[in-house]
Amino acid sequence: DADVTQTPRNRITKTGKRIMLECSQTKGHDRMYWYRQDPGLGLRLIYYSFDVKDINKGEISDGYSVSRQAQAKFSLSLESAIPNQTALYFCATSWTSGADTQYFGPGTRLTVL
Amino acid sequence: AQKITQTQPGMFVQEKEAVTLDCTYDTSDPSYGLFWYKQPSSGEMIFLIYQGSYDQQNATEGRYSLNFQKARKSANLVISASQLGDSAMYFCAMREFNFGNEKLTFGTGTRLTIIP
Repeated sequence: DADVTQTPRNRITKTGKRIMLECSQTKGHDRMYWYRQDPGLGLRLIYYSFDVKDINKGEISDGYSVSRQAQAKFSLSLESAIPNQTALYFCATSWTSGADTQYFGPGTRLTVL
Repeated sequence: AQKITQTQPGMFVQEKEAVTLDCTYDTSDPSYGLFWYKQPSSGEMIFLIYQGSYDQQNATEGRYSLNFQKARKSANLVISASQLGDSAMYFCAMREFNFGNEKLTFGTGTRLTIIP
């Protein structure tokens, strides 16, 4: 089984709809992250969490919110989706110490019409 | 500010040849880490190799090695004996190890195609 899972893997929705993307991990890592990937722009950080009570904004948090329900679960919400939020979304996890290598989930491809 | 530059948008390499993917970075922080990820057409991001700024030797992981030239601020990925399965996008990334900085900054990637 994969260490970092994301649901759904693909989603098509309409402008104005509320969308939640979910991430679960079995790696036991304390840190979790949400990124989005747009063509030609690489990955950009949306939100990150050090633990259940610690949520922090990344470089492009506007239009998004997150919830860390448990150490192993971190969800990303788009309260009112808009077309420029169409992207590939990745969840990642890491330890707090050492190289803090981030391990990524398989991604969720979101299309907002 | 962190910045990663990958100047090769695409590369074509004959199977079994070695390939070098370029990455240069810019930082004023003395403590940082450099990472390479592989993204096949299926979309997932696969961690390949890590190099710390204070590491004295170049990192190696199987067929992957990182040619780290600190003075030139370059961290090129070398893949030896390329295989068809190496065809993918490759991203270089960096993180400065200072308190409060959790951002892993990515380059725009290089698309590698291995030719049979």
